[in-house]
Amino acid sequence: GDSVTQMEGPVTLSEEAFLTINCTYTATGYPSLFWYVQYPGEGLQLLLKATKADDKGSNKGFEATYRKETTSFHLEKGSVQVSDSAVYFCALSLQAGTALIFGKGTTLSVSS
Amino acid sequence: GAVVSQHPSRVICKSGTSVKIECRSLDFQATTMFWYRQFPKQSLMLMATSNEGSKATYEQGVEKDKFLINHASLTLSTLTVTSAHPEDSSFYICSAKKTENNEQFFGPGTRLTVL
Repeated sequence: GDSVTQMEGPVTLSEEAFLTINCTYTATGYPSLFWYVQYPGEGLQLLLKATKADDKGSNKGFEATYRKETTSFHLEKGSVQVSDSAVYFCALSLQAGTALIFGKGTTLSVSS
Repeated sequence: GAVVSQHPSRVICKSGTSVKIECRSLDFQATTMFWYRQFPKQSLMLMATSNEGSKATYEQGVEKDKFLINHASLTLSTLTVTSAHPEDSSFYICSAKKTENNEQFFGPGTRLTVL
């Protein structure tokens, strides 16, 4: 069935380090892909998205490119900050407006 | 804008009792809301899709008589866990879909502990 696999955490980095969180998916058709972030005590927030192959989503210094050939949507940031510490979820949607299929989430901890 | 609240944020109850969780879209109308469940170190799993004014659609394996969903208005959906048991202990998260662009906005979640 349709699924999302993302790297196990926690990921621990020093401030200004480079971040990559891997995400791969299995889906029929052409899904839309998303990264959500959950800060402590808050709800999930959309970080970025891409709706078709080769699209790049970007926001707050984070980027992810929809790679159909490798069925991947890896999240990257060139220089992380302490305030980026959160749980990051990769997700897909098979059709606009339908429920999301999530990965397990990756906890990122950034220290100064 | 586009804020979704959940109440309560945490609840502890005795086995056999029922618990109601509310999900509200505070500044937009949502004809569709989704209820997810998250076990520790697991994905969010969709439980049901709640549509305003009609019956909810449940995912396979989710007991509709145990998890009662009511979406009586365009800003409120409720999930009632009936006759709760310890295995129902989990983190329940709702999302509300904004009609104009299909984007989903998530609530902060409700931690249910059944003793």
